[in-house]
Amino acid sequence: EVQLVESGGGLVEPGGSLRLSCAASGFNFKIYNMNWVRQAPGKGLEWVSYINGAGTYIYYADSVRGRFSISRDNAKNSLFLQMNTLTAEDTAVYYCVRFGVVNAFDLWGHGTMVIVSS
Amino acid sequence: EIVMTQSPATLSLSPGERATLSCRASQSVSGSYLSWYQQKPGQAPKLLIYGASTRATGIPARFSGSGSGTDFTLTISSLQPEDFAVYYCQQDYNLPWTFGQGTKVEFK
Repeated sequence: EVQLVESGGGLVEPGGSLRLSCAASGFNFKIYNMNWVRQAPGKGLEWVSYINGAGTYIYYADSVRGRFSISRDNAKNSLFLQMNTLTAEDTAVYYCVRFGVVNAFDLWGHGTMVIVSS
Repeated sequence: EIVMTQSPATLSLSPGERATLSCRASQSVSGSYLSWYQQKPGQAPKLLIYGASTRATGIPARFSGSGSGTDFTLTISSLQPEDFAVYYCQQDYNLPWTFGQGTKVEFK
């Protein structure tokens, strides 16, 4: 089955760190560009970060640049998001999303919830 | 940053009616990089339309997309009960990639 499964979310105090993981299966992971997209409770969608298939091109939203780091392990079909210096504004469901050949987010994981609170 | 503005915020309709959702970009977006997504409560978004007008795999023909430049439209020709959801437009023409704030299609 073609799917993305996120893990690693949870409750963290302001200023803390968390590492999200995304396990891909059912497709040739290494040839696909990947993203993280988040959604704060009751709010819309916000693109967070992008990494190309080889891991050589990486982009971030201004809101997370310098605090978040995206990476991937193609041998393990996995995508990661290291999140540091977290604030309450980072509270959201984080989705692992495949960027398809049709120039769109064509495959989404179920999401993992990150809550930043003391 | 390209700002995507969707209207209306909420659309109250009955099953069988036609839904017309608008998405306006703050600057011109190549149609190849304009997509529409559907999100139901508690679920991840799902790709409906890419390239402004091409239905994704498995998407029913009642969904259609149109537009170019700064103005794009998603039309649902005859609403089915399962179509009541939130719809987002999104551009990946320029970084940062941005989404509209969403249009909620609700039961009238």
